Amino acid sequence: AQRVTQPEKLLSVFKGAPVELKCNYSYSGSPELFWYVQYSRQRLQLLLRHISRESIKGFTADLNKGETSFHLKKPFAQEEDSAMYYCAVTTSYGKLTFGQGTILTVHP
Amino acid sequence: DVKVTQSSRYLVKRTGEKVFLECVQDMDHENMFWYRQDPGLGLRLIYFSYDVKMKEKGDIPEGYSVSREKKERFSLILESASTNQTSMYLCASSQGQGARSNQPQHFGDGTRLSIL
Repeated sequence: AQRVTQPEKLLSVFKGAPVELKCNYSYSGSPELFWYVQYSRQRLQLLLRHISRESIKGFTADLNKGETSFHLKKPFAQEEDSAMYYCAVTTSYGKLTFGQGTILTVHP
Repeated sequence: DVKVTQSSRYLVKRTGEKVFLECVQDMDHENMFWYRQDPGLGLRLIYFSYDVKMKEKGDIPEGYSVSREKKERFSLILESASTNQTSMYLCASSQGQGARSNQPQHFGDGTRLSIL
């Protein structure tokens, strides 16, 4: 069965520091991976997906099939990046399996 | 822009009541989903539907049922509410391509349900 693990429940960094949110997955097929973000009092929204290989709000994520990882990175964190981040893998019919989530806090 | 609307932001019900949570999307999406969101557990799939009148169990369907009579509307039903169903409930929709669907999901604002 598919599984997504985000080992850090909480992550704190200072503004301008690099940030990396870890995500590991197990899935038998060809995975489609996503990062979703939920800012305070806002709805959950797509941040990026691996297939598009885009950089959104300065964030990037590379799919490493050998390590089965999809870590989210940003070289210089901003206070407005403070949010809950979820890694997810899609299976059949577009169903998503989510990780437990990581709360990122960026201090001024 | 896709709009997924959940009928209530906050709801308080009593143990044993039958509870209906409604969700409507305006983008003609085939797929619709119900999740519950709990701290430390992430989002867990309760039920999903890939077409009108079609429904499939997710990972935690016990105590819940769903209804999809129209394409734009997906209802979650708690048959007899219990305190362990106190949670945040999120509805989502996505474009469908059958079993190969892999499009991003669009979420509603959520319904915070408290069962007393």
